[in-house]
Amino acid sequence: GAVVSQHPSWVICKSGTSVKIECRSLDFQATTMFWYRQFPKQSLMLMATSNEGSKATYEQGVEKDKFLINHASLTLSTLTVTSAHPEDSSFYICSAPRALSNQPQHFGDGTRLSIL
Amino acid sequence: QKEVEQNSGPLSVPEGAIASLNCTYSDRGSQSFFWYRQYSGKSPELIMSIYSNGDKEDGRFTAQLNKASQYVSLLIRDSQPSDSATYLCAVKDNNFNKFYFGSGTKLNVKP
Repeated sequence: GAVVSQHPSWVICKSGTSVKIECRSLDFQATTMFWYRQFPKQSLMLMATSNEGSKATYEQGVEKDKFLINHASLTLSTLTVTSAHPEDSSFYICSAPRALSNQPQHFGDGTRLSIL
Repeated sequence: QKEVEQNSGPLSVPEGAIASLNCTYSDRGSQSFFWYRQYSGKSPELIMSIYSNGDKEDGRFTAQLNKASQYVSLLIRDSQPSDSATYLCAVKDNNFNKFYFGSGTKLNVKP
């Protein structure tokens, strides 16, 4: 079964709206979670690394004021797309690795965001 | 910059054939290697992990790792149309809990 839950799976909203996406680890504690964005027919692009109890680490070119990340507990990270515009429409996916050093990432089901 | 390279494909194989997917990586110190499958419009799902040199088999899937050559591959035996997807190779930097993904190889299995 799923080990990482992501919600919502689909969002359609008007331009200028802020959208929050939740990512939960279901049966393990995740001190680190990852947020990716994927445009159609393109590869995964890491946006940021979410760290429990501290600031997220953003990849080059990703606006930290646009994409707010909060990792308030060991099982929950949230990504808020602030004042979303049509160019922010994409597939957003979170993932989390288990604590042991050699463990893989487990991905959530993703959130398809469409900004009108 | 640590890199993971994959042929983007598409790789086309007939149903029942063996599909061979390849991946090279730049960081010689990498220790953990993963293959993910991603169907169109879906998120990636883990299909294999490999940590030691040699082969690891799981059903129709075999992962092969050669650390000296910095090469990891995935063989899919008796390929089925349902195997048609993009396959992502991932390499983990255990020290920094950071993953590096290839751009993926698109596999088409023709009935």
